Amino acid sequence: DSGVTQTPKHLITATGQRVTLRCSPRSGDLSVYWYQQSLDQGLQFLIQYYNGEERAKGNILERFSAQQFPDLHSELNLSSLELGDSALYFCASSAGLGGNTEAFFGQGTRLTVV
Amino acid sequence: AQSVAQPEDQVNVAEGNPLTVKCTYSVSGNPYLFWYVQYPNRGLQFLLKYITGDNLVKGSYGFEAEFNKSQTSFHLKKPSALVSDSALYFCAVRDRSGDSSYKLIFGSGTRLLVRP
Repeated sequence: DSGVTQTPKHLITATGQRVTLRCSPRSGDLSVYWYQQSLDQGLQFLIQYYNGEERAKGNILERFSAQQFPDLHSELNLSSLELGDSALYFCASSAGLGGNTEAFFGQGTRLTVV
Repeated sequence: AQSVAQPEDQVNVAEGNPLTVKCTYSVSGNPYLFWYVQYPNRGLQFLLKYITGDNLVKGSYGFEAEFNKSQTSFHLKKPSALVSDSALYFCAVRDRSGDSSYKLIFGSGTRLLVRP
């Protein structure tokens, strides 16, 4: 158990809908990362927050947004969902801002858009 | 831009034989390098990392990795493979410089299959 908790584990929704994925980082970790894993794109970095502030951005679509709350949990909001958004979404956390600290991953949320 | 390449989609090895999973990287500065493993329907688990110092890094489950700066490689190795090592392995890199030090960029993954 990595200590990173993601909910829900599975989500099935229709095209055009909006969903929210939730992540609770390991106790004491200030950085939260979001990744998308799909069969054809591999593991894609979406966004990173550190202590409530956005720190790095990857190939995150404009339909997607995230935030980190004062209690350090994070939410990833996906809107106007398309079939191609079906993927496994991972959250990870690390103690530091980045650099030499490893990230610990949750078990992911499997999103299926039908 | 920083990137990681894992040239092999799949590596097959017999149980008891040594295994190598290849990784090469490209960064503008000096790298921090990581290996992760993913078992079916699970998240990624951290195996080991190279930060500085000794080029041979030892990690979890008997894995080790060798950092080679001249070849920009960070290959994962294990002297004797187990069937239970069968999984998806990811190499990842962070650049040490500027904003790139925040991003952890992953390779495409290599599926390791260990035959009994």
